[in-house]
Order: sequence, then structure tokens, then C-alpha cells
Amino acid sequence: QVTLRESGPALVKPTQTLTLTCSFSGFSIRTSGMCVSWIRQPPGKALEWLARIDWDDDKYYSTSLKTRLTISKDTSKHQVLLTMTNLDPVDTATYYCARIFCSSTNCYHDAFDIWGQGTMVTVSS
Amino acid sequence: QSVLTQPPSVSGAPGQRVTISCTGTSSNIGADYDVHWYQQLPGTAPKLLIYGNNNRPSGVPDRFSGSKSGTSASLAISGLQAEDEADYYCQSYDSSLSGYVFGTGTKVTVL
Repeated sequence: QVTLRESGPALVKPTQTLTLTCSFSGFSIRTSGMCVSWIRQPPGKALEWLARIDWDDDKYYSTSLKTRLTISKDTSKHQVLLTMTNLDPVDTATYYCARIFCSSTNCYHDAFDIWGQGTMVTVSS
Repeated sequence: QSVLTQPPSVSGAPGQRVTISCTGTSSNIGADYDVHWYQQLPGTAPKLLIYGNNNRPSGVPDRFSGSKSGTSASLAISGLQAEDEADYYCQSYDSSLSGYVFGTGTKVTVL
């Protein structure tokens, strides 16, 4: 059974750096085609894709947030990390990690097939 | 800032059929990237409902179906049930943004 679980601080102060951890099981990110993405959802609003890391360590970022995001993985711990710098109240959201199994070129046609439960992050002083 | 446009809400009586549209542009749906649909029940994480425009993952009832044409896609729910009350999101890839994009979301209400 494939599962993902997000963890991180519930409250962060403005200008601080946020680090979130996605712990997964039931698959290996060493497997060719396996990718993990981060997606967020502000309260009452739509989903927004943030970043993706692939089995071969390729990384992709939302163009609007690229300068503030870093995605990485610890293969031995079955974890994917997301760091976001210079937090602002507008970054208040539930942050999800989700798996993509790439069956198409560059994964452009592939869906987020398994999602974590999400972790709520509030940015406030 | 969602790139794909959906109606804010749709509603229907039990047993009825409802459709949700997802309108994109020539850099996403119109560029022939696949469209996927997610169901988000209240207070829960999104769940993959339709992938590759019109395919259902194992366990998703065949009451749910998807289609795509030109720069738009649609999700249809036939035989509407109370348990279908949720938010629904479409998703694709955008070549201009070089990233995945989601729809604005549609709340389905069962009357």
C-alpha cells in the first residue's frame, strides 16, 4: 500500500524559513519513473503546484516561487523535503505531497495518483 | 492564480447528471496535454478521480467520466449521489509556465 505523510511546523513567523518533510512508503523513489511533488492549498482556495523531484534527482519548480523553493530527497529515509524561504502570511495553506509515476516524456501527461493527508501551515507573527 | 477555469458551483438532485467544465488555453489543454480530475471531500486531501482525460483508477465508480476537446475538458457525474458532494479540480500541464496547473475548483451540491 502506497502512503505519503507530510510533517512540519504548524506555525511559522513572517520572513522565516519553512521546512516540510514528506515521508512515504510502499514505493521507492529510486525506481525509474517515480517522482514526488509538493502542492499547496490556501484556506478556501484552489490547489497550486509547487515543485517536483524525480528518481534521477532532476528538480522542477513553479516559476512564480522558484527563487524561494528547494526540493530534495533522502532516499535511504524514504523522504522528500521542501524548503521555502522568506515566509509571508499569504503562504498560509495546507501543504500536500503527492506521487507521480512518469509514463510519459518528462511526466507532462501524468497525474498525481496518491496524495498525503496534508499539513496545515500558518504564517503569523 | 489558477490557469484553468471551472464554474464555482454546480448542483443536482439525486440520480441526475451534472457536468463540470474546465477551460484552458493553447499552452495547456489546447497543447494536447492530458487532463486529470480530483475529488476533494470536505476536510480531506484530493483524490485522483479521472486520469488521462477519460480513465478511471481502480475503485472509482463508472458514474464518473471525463472528456476533452480543443482547449476544454469536462467531468460528468451521472446518477448523482449524496456522497458525491465535494470539490472537484481539473489539472493539466502548461508549457508557457513550465509547470502543472490546476483549475479554480467546482463545488458540487446534491439537492
